[in-house]
Amino acid sequence: EPEVTQTPSHQVTQMGQEVILRCVPISNHLYFYWYRQILGQKVEFLVSFYNNEISEKSEIFDDQFSVERPDGSNFTLKIRSTKLEDSAMYFCASTKLVSYEQYFGPGTRLTVT
Amino acid sequence: ELKVEQNPLFLSMQEGKNYTIYCNYSTTSDRLYWYRQDPGKSLESLFVLLSNGAVKQEGRLMASLDTKARLSTLHITAAVHDLSATYFCAVDIGGNKLVFGAGTILRVKS
Repeated sequence: EPEVTQTPSHQVTQMGQEVILRCVPISNHLYFYWYRQILGQKVEFLVSFYNNEISEKSEIFDDQFSVERPDGSNFTLKIRSTKLEDSAMYFCASTKLVSYEQYFGPGTRLTVT
Repeated sequence: ELKVEQNPLFLSMQEGKNYTIYCNYSTTSDRLYWYRQDPGKSLESLFVLLSNGAVKQEGRLMASLDTKARLSTLHITAAVHDLSATYFCAVDIGGNKLVFGAGTILRVKS
């Protein structure tokens, strides 16, 4: 069964460093998302992406964040200058069409020290 | 600001018992999703509810949606230990942007 994959599974970085989190959505899906979950808290929407553009973004998704689909398979989330409060689990999700269920990847645990 | 409230936030129940988790939300939406999350794991889709009155069942879990009351329920029948997990409801507020509830931690004791 097709699934969303994410790399790395765990990333440790120092405050102020740039990180890139990678996702490979399900191949025939057209809509892509990033969410984050701070430990023990709820899942929060960051950004949605369709047709090589950002469709929606939340207040969390400020200028430090960017997304890209550099080729036909990868979908990346870049944090330019990480802060301690960026420590969280980051989930990528994809869906075939609007209003269909989103399939989530296994997540990348980001630890900022 | 949209609020999605789940209750209870923590549920400890005996095997074999029935219980219901409630998900209230504060804006108009006719799309609601239930997800399961095991510790340290990703989110597993359980149910997709796309219209008022929608009811779906899978095994010991049944979900329903009342868009007029802005309420969804997840009913657990004859709980078993394997159902222990965190359950999230998520409301689609447009453009597939999901707003999640805080989650209900379910512990089923044998």
